[in-house]
Amino acid sequence: DGGITQSPKYLFRKEGQNVTLSCEQNLNHDAMYWYRQDPGQGLRLIYYSQIVNDFQKGDIAEGYSVSREKKESFPLTVTSAQKNPTAFYLCATRSRDRGPKLFFGSGTQLSVL
Amino acid sequence: ELKVEQNPLFLSMQEGKNYTIYCNYSTTSDRLYWYRQDPGKSLESLFVLLSNGAVKQEGRLMASLDTKARLSTLHITAAVHDLSATYFCAVEEETSGSRLTFGEGTQLTVNP
Repeated sequence: DGGITQSPKYLFRKEGQNVTLSCEQNLNHDAMYWYRQDPGQGLRLIYYSQIVNDFQKGDIAEGYSVSREKKESFPLTVTSAQKNPTAFYLCATRSRDRGPKLFFGSGTQLSVL
Repeated sequence: ELKVEQNPLFLSMQEGKNYTIYCNYSTTSDRLYWYRQDPGKSLESLFVLLSNGAVKQEGRLMASLDTKARLSTLHITAAVHDLSATYFCAVEEETSGSRLTFGEGTQLTVNP
């Protein structure tokens, strides 16, 4: 079915390792977002992109990197500089033309080994 | 910096009772969103409120927005167990370039 696909569902990172979380959408939405959720807390914005080949830092961008080479894809890399990466990561999209609502993927749970 | 505060953070209520969750925010905005999250799951959009005085209702939930008071409420009528979840409000700043800032969430438990 159409929508937002995040993969993998679960991911484990070793010390010093970079890992990449995938977010793909077939909704033809312009804007894409990455949020981090820690247990019992709200969502915090990591990065967002409103158009291809452009992205902006959110509130907690340190230790993360992104790219937006295609409209459909917005991968998030958690680098070794992110010392506390264990969290639930949510990707979201939004259409400029079809209303203001954010649509969320199913999330990736990242844990440190 | 935009701050979004929800209260209460935890709410335990009996089936059949009414209650209200409050969402206060610190800067000018006329766009507010309510989401529901079940444990281990993603967020589901409940309401989009786009102007002062906006009121939306769906089943036992009703949301309203007062932009002058910088306050939104989510009212639960005659709660049922299926409403047990965490509820988030999110606010979009007027000059944010489409960023949403989320509250901490209200964890609602409805007991039989």
